[in-house]
Amino acid sequence: QVQLVQSGAEVEKPGASVKVSCKASGYTFTDYYLHWVRQAPGQGLEWMGWIHTNSGGTHYAHNFHGRVTMTRDTSISTAYMELSSLGSDDTALYYCLLLAPSSSGVWGQGTTVTVSS
Amino acid sequence: DIQMTQSPSAMSASVGDRVTITCRASQGISNDLAWFQQKPGTVPKRLIYAASTLQSGVPSRFSGGGSGTEFTLTISSLQPEDFATYYCLQYNNSPFTFGPGTKVDIK
Repeated sequence: QVQLVQSGAEVEKPGASVKVSCKASGYTFTDYYLHWVRQAPGQGLEWMGWIHTNSGGTHYAHNFHGRVTMTRDTSISTAYMELSSLGSDDTALYYCLLLAPSSSGVWGQGTTVTVSS
Repeated sequence: DIQMTQSPSAMSASVGDRVTITCRASQGISNDLAWFQQKPGTVPKRLIYAASTLQSGVPSRFSGGGSGTEFTLTISSLQPEDFATYYCLQYNNSPFTFGPGTKVDIK
């Protein structure tokens, strides 16, 4: 079955960077864009951007321009989301997911990123 | 950017009630809208895409409607497992945007 498995929880200091991975299985990795969404504690869902897993092309939400980088390694069916210059308001659960209507709509299990000095 | 609003932001309902949640887009998005359900401490789950297409495995008591700027999610007969927060998402235009959510709790 289609699965997205993310890397484990991270604790980072303010100003640092974090890189979260998302390993896909159960489908052809390059068939679908992969999206990233985050959710701060007690808050709603915030779309961060997508990566075209075939070409590597990206599109980011304005809020993250200049701080987020999405990449992929097609040889291991894995996507990555790196967020730099972390602040306390970046403390959140980060998800990778499939959004294409023709996809299964699966989400990864989420990766907790805590920013604390 | 396209802004999404939802109403109500929260509601109390009883098992068996018919519940309707509305999502509005700041500009037309055709039918490029999905609905998600999130229960506390769990990963969101897609219920509906293309405004009205039910995700495989989702109970038929859920239905979606609308096109353009106004959309609805209807639960025909609320079940105990449906108490959750519901989000709409427009994917017509990047950046994609979520609505702020509607929390449905027990009356």
